Amino acid sequence: AQKVTQAQTEISVVEKEDVTLDCVYETRDTTYYLFWYKQPPSGELVFLIRRNSFDEQNEISGRYSWNFQKSTSSFNFTITASQVVDSAVYFCALASYNQGGKLIFGQGTELSVKP
Amino acid sequence: GAVVSQHPSRVICKSGTSVKIECRSLDFQATTMFWYRQFPKQSLMLMATSNEGSKATYEQGVEKDKFLINHASLTLSTLTVTSAHPEDSSFYICSAPPPRQWNRDTQYFGPGTRLTVL
Repeated sequence: AQKVTQAQTEISVVEKEDVTLDCVYETRDTTYYLFWYKQPPSGELVFLIRRNSFDEQNEISGRYSWNFQKSTSSFNFTITASQVVDSAVYFCALASYNQGGKLIFGQGTELSVKP
Repeated sequence: GAVVSQHPSRVICKSGTSVKIECRSLDFQATTMFWYRQFPKQSLMLMATSNEGSKATYEQGVEKDKFLINHASLTLSTLTVTSAHPEDSSFYICSAPPPRQWNRDTQYFGPGTRLTVL
């Protein structure tokens, strides 16, 4: 069975703090995709990143960075110098390689960045 | 701009009525679309896979007679919530994988439809 766990339900930080959102996944597939999405109050999902299971390189995009560790089945997301506009619900998701459209989402982490 | 649209964005209906939600892919054809449901402060749960030209595939626990899916064309899938009840109130989101040649990392999600059943 596939499963994604985001243990942090809510996180509150003050602007400019760094914050890490945790994501742990379970799958028996040897090849799979991992995703992060942002969902602002409007509800529309915003794609942030996709990582293939065979590519463990960490990635940095501006203030965002991702740490993928297959050994611990984790795909954590860090926002550096957080801003109020980062406030949203963030979802980690998993998809099998041969079922790329079917996403298994984690419970989501609601991030609140206060000025 | 948006590549997957949903209509309506919001709908309020009385208990017992049926509600149809449309999901359209713009500028590309989608033989497969996905329908998700999201209850307040909860995660997105896949309800069903909509297949053009064949029956939809429902996830375990989703009543296919309750949630009718019709993939009417290569750009349109509809979800009809039949005899809606307050417990069906939710945020419904569709998605469609882009054409392979677009080489995109993610499928496209619609903006969602918020259904409130009174």
